[in-house]
Amino acid sequence: GAVVSQHPSWVICKSGTSVKIECRSLDFQATTMFWYRQFPKQSLMLMATSNEGSKATYEQGVEKDKFLINHASLTLSTLTVTSAHPEDSSFYICSAGPQTGSWNEQYFGPGTRLTVT
Amino acid sequence: GDSVTQMEGPVTLSEEAFLTINCTYTATGYPSLFWYVQYPGEGLQLLLKATKADDKGSNKGFEATYRKETTSFHLEKGSVQVSDSAVYFCALRSGGGADGLTFGKGTHLIIQP
Repeated sequence: GAVVSQHPSWVICKSGTSVKIECRSLDFQATTMFWYRQFPKQSLMLMATSNEGSKATYEQGVEKDKFLINHASLTLSTLTVTSAHPEDSSFYICSAGPQTGSWNEQYFGPGTRLTVT
Repeated sequence: GDSVTQMEGPVTLSEEAFLTINCTYTATGYPSLFWYVQYPGEGLQLLLKATKADDKGSNKGFEATYRKETTSFHLEKGSVQVSDSAVYFCALRSGGGADGLTFGKGTHLIIQP
């Protein structure tokens, strides 16, 4: 089946630094990838839609200058948390769907735990 | 906006018990509905889906029926196993395949032998 990987699986960084999270589709190409954020005991909240070769589309309330998304190829999207602060600590999850077919099923990565100290 | 409400957990059952996890939704139009499962240490996996009213999704003994009149998509299984212990998420998508999902908070299911 389709596999989506994320790297790193967890990261600790100091306040004010930037952190990059990678999302890769390992055995299919994805023109669209999604980034979600999950707080403890909360649901996954869609942050942005990452489109290969164009700008990401951000959900209302998500700061695009803080959460930089780059989708440079059909198998890789990156999320960079810039000038991270403790309130950015969360679980970040990406998903992707194969290009083919009229109905895109989404496959989820295992998530990245970010802790900002 | 769109929203999904599912029963809070944890839900603890004995093996072979009947399972129901309630899920209701609010959405414009006619959304597609999903149940995802997350086993410990793994990513979310699609368990089943339904794309229109009265559709029944089923997989691995789990079932859910898209009820438009009650805006519900309850998950059921007749006889649960210890291996079913996981977190279950109900979700919807209002648009097409290129739209993100709206999730419920998740229900932690614990099956005791």
